[in-house]
Amino acid sequence: QVQLVQSGADVKRPGASVKVSCEASGFTFTDFYIHWVRQAPGQGLEWMGRINSNSGDTLYAQKFEDRVIMTRDTSISTAYMELSSLKSDDTAMFYCARDVLGGGTVFDYWGQGTLVTVSS
Amino acid sequence: DVQMTQSPSSLSASLGDRVIITCQANQDISNYLTWYQQKPGKAPKLLIYDASNLETGVPSRFSGGGYGTTFTLTISGLQPEDLGTYYCQQHDNPPITFGPGTKVDLK
Repeated sequence: QVQLVQSGADVKRPGASVKVSCEASGFTFTDFYIHWVRQAPGQGLEWMGRINSNSGDTLYAQKFEDRVIMTRDTSISTAYMELSSLKSDDTAMFYCARDVLGGGTVFDYWGQGTLVTVSS
Repeated sequence: DVQMTQSPSSLSASLGDRVIITCQANQDISNYLTWYQQKPGKAPKLLIYDASNLETGVPSRFSGGGYGTTFTLTISGLQPEDLGTYYCQQHDNPPITFGPGTKVDLK
């Protein structure tokens, strides 16, 4: 069955970086984009960007493009999202989601979420 | 960026009620509109794609409609498991943007 399993919760100091992983199984990893979506506590969904798991090409939301890096390791079907220069308002749940290459941007499977807390 | 709005922001309904949520885009997005349901502490779940196509496994009481700038999600006969927050999302133009959400609870 299709699964996206994310790394566990993390606590970071302001100014630090965090790297969240998203391990895929049950489908051909390189047939899909992996997107990252942020959700602050009690707030809505915010798209951060995507990576083409086949080519490695990325597209970032302008809001994050100067401090986010999305990568993937096809040998272990895992995508990564690294966010740097963390601030307290980066405290949020981060989700990965898949979207088939060449299709519309529809997130049919999501990871379980990774809570990142930024606190001094 | 395409701005998405939803109305109402929250609603209270009784079991069995027909519930309608509206999503508007500030420019024409054709039918590139998706609906998700999110329950507390859980990841969003895909309900409707391309404005009106029901995702496999989603109950038929959910339906979507609309084109261009105005879209609707209808729940025909609210069930207890339908409580949660509903988000629309456009993918006509990057960046992908979501509506602010509509919280559905019991009256």
